[in-house]
Amino acid sequence: GNSVTQMEGPVTLSEEAFLTINCTYTATGYPSLFWYVQYPGEGLQLLLKATKADDKGSNKGFEATYRKETTSFHLEKGSVQVSDSAVYFCALLNTGGFKTIFGAGTRLFVKA
Amino acid sequence: DTAVSQTPKYLVTQMGNDKSIKCEQNLGHDTMYWYKQDSKKFLKIMFSYNNKELIINETVPNRFSPKSPDKAHLNLHINSLELGDSAVYFCASSQAFAEGTEAFFGQGTRLTVV
Repeated sequence: GNSVTQMEGPVTLSEEAFLTINCTYTATGYPSLFWYVQYPGEGLQLLLKATKADDKGSNKGFEATYRKETTSFHLEKGSVQVSDSAVYFCALLNTGGFKTIFGAGTRLFVKA
Repeated sequence: DTAVSQTPKYLVTQMGNDKSIKCEQNLGHDTMYWYKQDSKKFLKIMFSYNNKELIINETVPNRFSPKSPDKAHLNLHINSLELGDSAVYFCASSQAFAEGTEAFFGQGTRLTVV
């Protein structure tokens, strides 16, 4: 079946550090891939997405590249801020599917 | 305008009670969902409705009964609440069959069963 595996947290970084959160997936067909972010006390919101192999999604300084050969969609940011502290979820959706499958979430703490 | 709104935001109730959570979306989406998020932030789909029809029921106890009066609303009724039902419940919507369609989430309802 379809699944998403992402690195366990929490991840603690100092401000302006480089961030990588690893995500790999298992899926049939050609899924769309997403990163969602959940700030404390809020619902999830889309951070970025990619719909086909080699696409790069980017938003707010975050980026992730859809790598079909390694079935990965790692999230990166060159310089994190305290305001980036949140839980990040990697997710996939098969074409025509009704179910977005989420990874377990990775909590990020950024210290000033 | 809130795209996906759910009420109440907080719900504290005793074991054995029956409670409902309401959800409405104004995005014109065809598909709505209920997700349960546990204390470790793990997010698990419970139900999915497309145009008012149930299409996904992920082995949820039958104490949980979703109802979709129209495609803009998906309510969740829970009978005989148990301690293990304590969690944050999220409603979401999307436009299914569209490539790369993302889900839009409500703010969540934190349910505490005491």
